Amino acid sequence: RKEVEQDPGPFNVPEGATVAFNCTYSNSASQSFFWYRQDCRKEPKLLMSVYSSGNEDGRFTAQLNRASQYISLLIRDSKLSDSATYLCAVNGDTGRRALTFGSGTRLQVQP
Amino acid sequence: EPEVTQTPSHQVTQMGQEVILRCVPISNHLYFYWYRQILGQKVEFLVSFYNNEISEKSEIFDDQFSVERPDGSNFTLKIRSTKLEDSAMYFCASSPRQLSNQPQHFGDGTRLSIL
Repeated sequence: RKEVEQDPGPFNVPEGATVAFNCTYSNSASQSFFWYRQDCRKEPKLLMSVYSSGNEDGRFTAQLNRASQYISLLIRDSKLSDSATYLCAVNGDTGRRALTFGSGTRLQVQP
Repeated sequence: EPEVTQTPSHQVTQMGQEVILRCVPISNHLYFYWYRQILGQKVEFLVSFYNNEISEKSEIFDDQFSVERPDGSNFTLKIRSTKLEDSAMYFCASSPRQLSNQPQHFGDGTRLSIL
């Protein structure tokens, strides 16, 4: 099983739609979880950290399910500018900071 | 908003040559990292650096790689004898404090092309 796994997509959605991505991770000792967005040939940009209780930032909601070892990202009211690749990143055991990235899920928001 | 800066944005080098990639992390950050992304592949961790020494490294980070913080602001990645397969985007990142749940902020990368 891959360490961090994502559906590559693409997810093609109309503007205004709600879309959700999942990301599964294999290391049950993982402590920290993040969503990044990456535009073509650019750097990963931090979208949000994922907290145990779930967290929301505007149109974006992140959830963590430790029992099933996945994190999710929900985007409401999609904008054209949301078109990007969404990367989940997980770090390992307590004290380890190296991030393991998924391959990313590509989102294309269409007018 | 403070950001991580990297130079050069693009480096073209002959196979076998040494290359140094430079990064200026965010000024009050304590942890520094290098990642790479081969075209079409995922972002991969290379090394982390704290308190002037390597704190973690991956299998990719073999003897041809080294990192240094030569002064108070720069953080460098040296590849001693480049190979064709070293062609990739190299991203520097930094994070603020000791807690491992602090997010890492990435620079805009150096595209390394080995000929």
